[in-house]
Amino acid sequence: DAGITQSPRHKVTETGTPVTLRCHQTENHRYMYWYRQDPGHGLRLIHYSYGVKDTDKGEVSDGYSVSRSKTEDFLLTLESATSSQTSVYFCAISVPRGEQFFGPGTRLTVL
Amino acid sequence: QKEVEQNSGPLSVPEGAIASLNCTYSDRGSQSFFWYRQYSGKSPELIMSIYSNGDKEDGRFTAQLNKASQYVSLLIRDSQPSDSATYLCAAPGQFYFGTGTSLTVIP
Repeated sequence: DAGITQSPRHKVTETGTPVTLRCHQTENHRYMYWYRQDPGHGLRLIHYSYGVKDTDKGEVSDGYSVSRSKTEDFLLTLESATSSQTSVYFCAISVPRGEQFFGPGTRLTVL
Repeated sequence: QKEVEQNSGPLSVPEGAIASLNCTYSDRGSQSFFWYRQYSGKSPELIMSIYSNGDKEDGRFTAQLNKASQYVSLLIRDSQPSDSATYLCAAPGQFYFGTGTSLTVIP
C-alpha cells in the first residue's frame, strides 16, 4: 500500500471554517500529490510537491494551500471551506518510473 | 479538449467475456500510460503500466498503446464479477486522469 496514510478519514465542517488534511508516507518518496475526486470530473490535481518546501499548483488549486516541512508529511489546507469543496480527497506519491500510489482518501463534507 | 478522454460508460459484460476499455490522449509527448482500478468507496489501485508502443500482457489484462493514433486501451479477458469497478487511465506529466469507465461484470 506504499505506506501512505491520510487523516482524518472523514470530516464534516461548516462553511467558512479552516480545514487541514494530512498525508503521511513512510518510504521517503520525493513526489507527493493532492487530488480531489468528484462525480463526472474524475481525479483532479490540486497541488503537488517535489521536495521539502517545494510545491506547485495543479489544475484546481484555487481555495487550497499546501505545505511540506518534512519529507514524510504533505498538508492540504482549505483556508475557508466552501460547499463546493465537498469532495473525496486523495493523497498520492509517485515512484521514479511515474506510477502513482494512493492513500485511502478523506471524505470531506462542508455544510 | 481534455488531456485524457475515456470511452463513455457504463460498460456491462457477461462473466467470461472480454471487456474493452479505451482512452485517447492529446499530448503527443506522452511516453507512458497507466491504468488504475477503483472499487466503490476505495482509492485507485495501479493495475497496468505501459511505456512503449504495442501490447503488454499481465495475466488476464492486456494494455495496448498506439502512439500514432494517441490511443491506449485495456482488455480484460475472462471477465469476473470481481472485475466490476471503475477503470481510470492516466498520462503522466501533470498527471491527468480520465473520468473513468464503470465496468459491471454480470454473473
